[in-house]
Amino acid sequence: KQEVTQIPAALSVPEGENLVLNCSFTDSAIYNLQWFRQDPGKGLTSLLLIQSSQREQTSGRLNASLDKSSGRSTLYIAASQPGDSATYLCAVSGGSYIPTFGRGTSLIVHP
Amino acid sequence: DGGITQSPKYLFRKEGQNVTLSCEQNLNHDAMYWYRQDPGQGLRLIYYSQIVNDFQKGDIAEGYSVSREKKESFPLTVTSAQKNPTAFYLCASKEPAGGNEQFFGPGTRLTVL
Repeated sequence: KQEVTQIPAALSVPEGENLVLNCSFTDSAIYNLQWFRQDPGKGLTSLLLIQSSQREQTSGRLNASLDKSSGRSTLYIAASQPGDSATYLCAVSGGSYIPTFGRGTSLIVHP
Repeated sequence: DGGITQSPKYLFRKEGQNVTLSCEQNLNHDAMYWYRQDPGQGLRLIYYSQIVNDFQKGDIAEGYSVSREKKESFPLTVTSAQKNPTAFYLCASKEPAGGNEQFFGPGTRLTVL
Protein backbone atom coordinates (compact mmCIF):
# COMPACT_ATOMS: atom_id res chain seq x y z
CA LYS A 1 0.00 0.00 0.00
CA GLN A 2 1.31 3.43 -0.95
CA GLU A 3 2.38 5.64 1.95
CA VAL A 4 3.17 9.33 1.63
CA THR A 5 5.20 11.24 4.21
CA GLN A 6 5.73 14.97 4.39
CA ILE A 7 8.58 16.54 6.31
CA PRO A 8 8.62 18.81 8.19
CA ALA A 9 5.11 18.76 9.68
CA ALA A 10 5.38 22.44 10.53
CA LEU A 11 7.67 25.28 9.55
CA SER A 12 7.93 28.90 10.65
CA VAL A 13 10.24 31.24 8.77
CA PRO A 14 10.82 34.97 8.32
CA GLU A 15 9.69 36.63 5.13
CA GLY A 16 12.09 36.42 2.21
CA GLU A 17 13.55 32.99 2.92
CA ASN A 18 13.73 30.31 0.26
CA LEU A 19 11.98 27.14 1.42
CA VAL A 20 12.04 23.45 0.63
CA LEU A 21 9.14 21.19 1.53
CA ASN A 22 9.64 17.45 1.23
CA CYS A 23 7.34 14.63 0.16
CA SER A 24 8.35 10.97 0.06
CA PHE A 25 6.42 7.94 -1.13
CA THR A 26 7.00 4.22 -0.75
CA ASP A 27 5.86 2.86 -4.13
CA SER A 28 7.65 4.39 -7.12
CA ALA A 29 5.07 3.04 -9.61
CA ILE A 30 3.16 6.31 -9.86
CA TYR A 31 1.44 8.17 -12.69
CA ASN A 32 1.81 11.62 -11.22
CA LEU A 33 2.41 13.69 -8.10
CA GLN A 34 0.37 16.76 -7.25
CA TRP A 35 1.10 19.58 -4.80
CA PHE A 36 -1.79 21.42 -3.15
CA ARG A 37 -2.21 24.41 -0.91
CA GLN A 38 -4.91 24.59 1.77
CA ASP A 39 -5.85 27.72 3.68
CA PRO A 40 -7.64 27.31 7.04
CA GLY A 41 -11.26 26.23 6.60
CA LYS A 42 -10.93 26.08 2.80
CA GLY A 43 -10.66 23.43 0.13
CA LEU A 44 -7.45 22.35 -1.55
CA THR A 45 -6.03 24.42 -4.39
CA SER A 46 -3.88 22.66 -6.95
CA LEU A 47 -0.42 24.22 -7.29
CA LEU A 48 1.57 21.90 -9.52
CA LEU A 49 1.11 18.53 -11.21
CA ILE A 50 4.17 16.50 -12.20
CA GLN A 51 3.72 13.54 -14.51
CA SER A 52 5.86 10.46 -13.83
CA SER A 53 7.92 11.16 -16.96
CA GLN A 54 8.78 14.69 -15.84
CA ARG A 55 11.53 15.88 -13.52
CA GLU A 56 10.09 19.23 -12.49
CA GLN A 57 7.36 21.81 -12.93
CA THR A 58 7.45 25.54 -12.27
CA SER A 59 4.79 28.13 -11.59
CA GLY A 60 5.90 31.59 -10.58
CA ARG A 61 7.91 31.33 -7.35
CA LEU A 62 7.11 27.64 -7.00
CA ASN A 63 9.19 24.79 -8.35
CA ALA A 64 8.39 21.14 -7.78
CA SER A 65 10.80 18.33 -8.57
CA LEU A 66 10.23 14.61 -8.81
CA ASP A 67 12.72 11.77 -8.37
CA LYS A 68 10.55 8.74 -8.93
CA SER A 69 13.29 6.18 -8.45
CA SER A 70 14.06 7.43 -4.95
CA GLY A 71 10.42 8.13 -4.11
CA ARG A 72 10.89 11.83 -3.41
CA SER A 73 9.50 15.18 -4.42
CA THR A 74 10.37 18.64 -3.22
CA LEU A 75 8.42 21.88 -3.41
CA TYR A 76 10.70 24.89 -3.55
CA ILE A 77 9.23 28.28 -2.62
CA ALA A 78 11.42 31.23 -3.54
CA ALA A 79 11.40 34.51 -1.61
CA SER A 80 8.61 33.50 0.76
CA GLN A 81 5.86 35.98 1.64
CA PRO A 82 3.31 36.10 4.49
CA GLY A 83 0.64 35.24 1.91
CA ASP A 84 2.34 31.88 1.42
CA SER A 85 1.25 30.86 4.92
CA ALA A 86 -0.91 27.75 4.51
CA THR A 87 -0.76 23.98 4.68
CA TYR A 88 0.90 22.30 1.71
CA LEU A 89 -0.08 18.74 0.79
CA CYS A 90 1.30 16.33 -1.76
CA ALA A 91 -0.60 13.45 -3.33
CA VAL A 92 0.57 10.62 -5.56
CA SER A 93 -1.56 8.65 -8.01
CA GLY A 94 -0.70 5.09 -8.96
CA GLY A 95 -2.33 2.12 -10.61
CA SER A 96 -5.54 2.39 -8.62
CA TYR A 97 -6.06 5.98 -9.84
CA ILE A 98 -6.94 6.88 -6.25
CA PRO A 99 -4.60 9.61 -5.00
CA THR A 100 -2.76 8.98 -1.73
CA PHE A 101 -2.20 12.08 0.37
CA GLY A 102 0.44 13.08 2.84
CA ARG A 103 -0.58 14.81 6.06
CA GLY A 104 0.84 18.13 4.94
CA THR A 105 3.35 20.74 6.03
CA SER A 106 1.94 23.73 7.91
CA LEU A 107 3.87 26.82 6.87
CA ILE A 108 3.92 30.19 8.62
CA VAL A 109 5.82 33.06 7.04
CA HIS A 110 6.09 35.97 9.44
CA PRO A 111 6.84 39.55 8.42
CA ASP B 1 -16.18 29.23 -14.73
CA GLY B 2 -15.56 25.50 -14.32
CA GLY B 3 -15.36 24.18 -10.81
CA ILE B 4 -16.80 22.23 -7.91
CA THR B 5 -19.44 23.59 -5.56
CA GLN B 6 -20.34 22.19 -2.17
CA SER B 7 -23.30 23.13 -0.05
CA PRO B 8 -23.96 24.05 2.59
CA LYS B 9 -20.73 25.59 3.86
CA TYR B 10 -21.73 24.88 7.47
CA LEU B 11 -24.12 22.19 8.64
CA PHE B 12 -25.37 21.30 12.08
CA ARG B 13 -26.83 17.92 12.90
CA LYS B 14 -28.64 16.65 15.91
CA GLU B 15 -27.95 13.20 17.27
CA GLY B 16 -29.86 10.54 15.32
CA GLN B 17 -30.41 12.64 12.18
CA ASN B 18 -29.29 11.88 8.67
CA VAL B 19 -27.90 14.79 6.69
CA THR B 20 -26.94 15.11 3.04
CA LEU B 21 -24.00 17.11 1.73
CA SER B 22 -24.19 18.34 -1.83
CA CYS B 23 -21.36 18.24 -4.38
CA GLU B 24 -21.75 19.47 -7.96
CA GLN B 25 -19.09 19.81 -10.67
CA ASN B 26 -19.19 21.32 -14.15
CA LEU B 27 -15.74 20.10 -15.18
CA ASN B 28 -17.20 17.14 -17.07
CA HIS B 29 -15.12 14.76 -14.97
CA ASP B 30 -16.09 11.12 -14.72
CA ALA B 31 -14.50 10.48 -11.30
CA MET B 32 -15.67 12.07 -8.06
CA TYR B 33 -14.47 11.61 -4.49
CA TRP B 34 -15.51 12.35 -0.91
CA TYR B 35 -12.89 12.91 1.78
CA ARG B 36 -13.09 13.57 5.47
CA GLN B 37 -10.51 15.81 7.15
CA ASP B 38 -9.89 15.87 10.88
CA PRO B 39 -7.15 17.83 12.66
CA GLY B 40 -3.90 15.87 12.63
CA GLN B 41 -5.39 13.04 10.53
CA GLY B 42 -4.96 14.25 6.99
CA LEU B 43 -7.45 13.40 4.26
CA ARG B 44 -9.30 10.11 4.48
CA LEU B 45 -11.26 8.69 1.56
CA ILE B 46 -14.93 7.93 2.27
CA TYR B 47 -16.34 6.98 -1.16
CA TYR B 48 -15.38 7.42 -4.77
CA SER B 49 -17.11 7.03 -8.10
CA GLN B 50 -15.30 6.43 -11.40
CA ILE B 51 -18.42 6.66 -13.54
CA VAL B 52 -22.15 7.37 -13.33
CA ASN B 53 -24.19 4.74 -11.50
CA ASP B 54 -21.11 3.18 -9.94
CA PHE B 55 -19.30 3.92 -6.68
CA GLN B 56 -16.86 2.20 -4.35
CA LYS B 57 -16.15 2.34 -0.64
CA GLY B 58 -13.03 4.08 0.51
CA ASP B 59 -11.13 3.61 3.74
CA ILE B 60 -13.83 4.93 6.12
CA ALA B 61 -17.21 4.26 4.44
CA GLU B 62 -19.05 3.00 7.53
CA GLY B 63 -21.92 5.32 8.48
CA TYR B 64 -21.94 7.07 5.08
CA SER B 65 -23.82 6.53 1.83
CA VAL B 66 -23.60 8.06 -1.64
CA SER B 67 -25.35 8.05 -4.99
CA ARG B 68 -24.18 8.89 -8.50
CA GLU B 69 -27.23 9.25 -10.68
CA LYS B 70 -25.80 12.15 -12.72
CA LYS B 71 -22.28 12.82 -13.92
CA GLU B 72 -22.16 16.24 -12.32
CA SER B 73 -23.55 15.30 -8.90
CA PHE B 74 -22.22 13.11 -6.06
CA PRO B 75 -24.15 13.71 -2.82
CA LEU B 76 -22.95 12.27 0.48
CA THR B 77 -25.36 11.25 3.24
CA VAL B 78 -24.04 11.09 6.78
CA THR B 79 -26.28 8.64 8.57
CA SER B 80 -27.06 8.29 12.27
CA ALA B 81 -24.80 5.22 12.23
CA GLN B 82 -21.75 7.47 11.90
CA LYS B 83 -20.75 7.88 15.54
CA ASN B 84 -18.36 10.79 15.21
CA PRO B 85 -19.41 12.81 12.15
CA THR B 86 -18.08 16.21 13.23
CA ALA B 87 -15.43 16.99 10.60
CA PHE B 88 -14.61 18.93 7.46
CA TYR B 89 -15.85 17.19 4.31
CA LEU B 90 -14.22 17.72 0.93
CA CYS B 91 -15.47 16.72 -2.49
CA ALA B 92 -13.11 16.32 -5.44
CA SER B 93 -13.18 15.32 -9.08
CA LYS B 94 -10.79 14.32 -11.85
CA GLU B 95 -10.65 12.34 -15.03
CA PRO B 96 -10.14 8.77 -13.81
CA ALA B 97 -6.97 8.01 -15.78
CA GLY B 98 -3.89 8.20 -13.59
CA GLY B 99 -2.16 11.20 -15.13
CA ASN B 100 -4.88 13.75 -14.56
CA GLU B 101 -5.16 16.62 -12.11
CA GLN B 102 -7.55 16.45 -9.17
CA PHE B 103 -9.70 19.44 -8.21
CA PHE B 104 -11.42 20.16 -4.91
CA GLY B 105 -14.52 21.97 -3.75
CA PRO B 106 -14.54 24.51 -0.89
CA GLY B 107 -15.72 21.99 1.72
CA THR B 108 -18.57 21.58 4.19
CA ARG B 109 -18.03 21.74 7.93
CA LEU B 110 -20.41 19.43 9.74
CA THR B 111 -20.97 19.78 13.47
CA VAL B 112 -23.03 17.46 15.64
CA LEU B 113 -24.95 19.24 18.38
